[in-house]
Amino acid sequence: GAVVSQHPSRVICKSGTSVKIECRSLDFQATTMFWYRQFPKQSLMLMATSNEGSKATYEQGVEKDKFLINHASLTLSTLTVTSAHPEDSSFYICSARKPVGGYEQYFGPGTRLTVT
Amino acid sequence: AQKVTQAQTEISVVEKEDVTLDCVYETRDTTYYLFWYKQPPSGELVFLIRRNSFDEQNEISGRYSWNFQKSTSSFNFTITASQVVDSAVYFCALSEEGYGGATNKLIFGTGTLLAVQP
Repeated sequence: GAVVSQHPSRVICKSGTSVKIECRSLDFQATTMFWYRQFPKQSLMLMATSNEGSKATYEQGVEKDKFLINHASLTLSTLTVTSAHPEDSSFYICSARKPVGGYEQYFGPGTRLTVT
Repeated sequence: AQKVTQAQTEISVVEKEDVTLDCVYETRDTTYYLFWYKQPPSGELVFLIRRNSFDEQNEISGRYSWNFQKSTSSFNFTITASQVVDSAVYFCALSEEGYGGATNKLIFGTGTLLAVQP
């Protein structure tokens, strides 16, 4: 299977600061990456679809100015949580899709964000 | 609109029991994909299976088997002879093809927490 990494795995930040989460596809080029958010004991909710070289497509209700997504290369997408607040504390998971050969999304290990 | 329902919030079984996790989906598309993922306590999602809407053949992989029935819009997952290591949250998900295959969004069910007791 394909490998997707996320960094950092855990981050604690103070309210009002910004934090960047990286998602990398390690052994394939991903034209499309996805960002999900998961609250404790809940399902994954798609936040946005990130396409290499173009603007991300955000799901309804997701603030694009707060959750900045950049997909600058075929192997890297970043999610920046700006002016973080305690309610942004969550588990953020990225996934990457190969451009050909199926519709599987390969998931990263997730990033646990805690805003104090 | 597409939707995935996993009515079982939590299931507890004793090791070696068989257990079936239910998944019911809604979609208007004729072409779609169904998935099962496992999420152990570590949090990382593990891909288990993908099934497209034109392939209703049931599948068996070791102790895992899947029953896809379009007539009832269900894609159920059975673990035979469960083991403690099977304890995890299991998610069923749906992806519609969209125009030119471009959509590909995964719609997740709410998950079923499976606890296998020794």
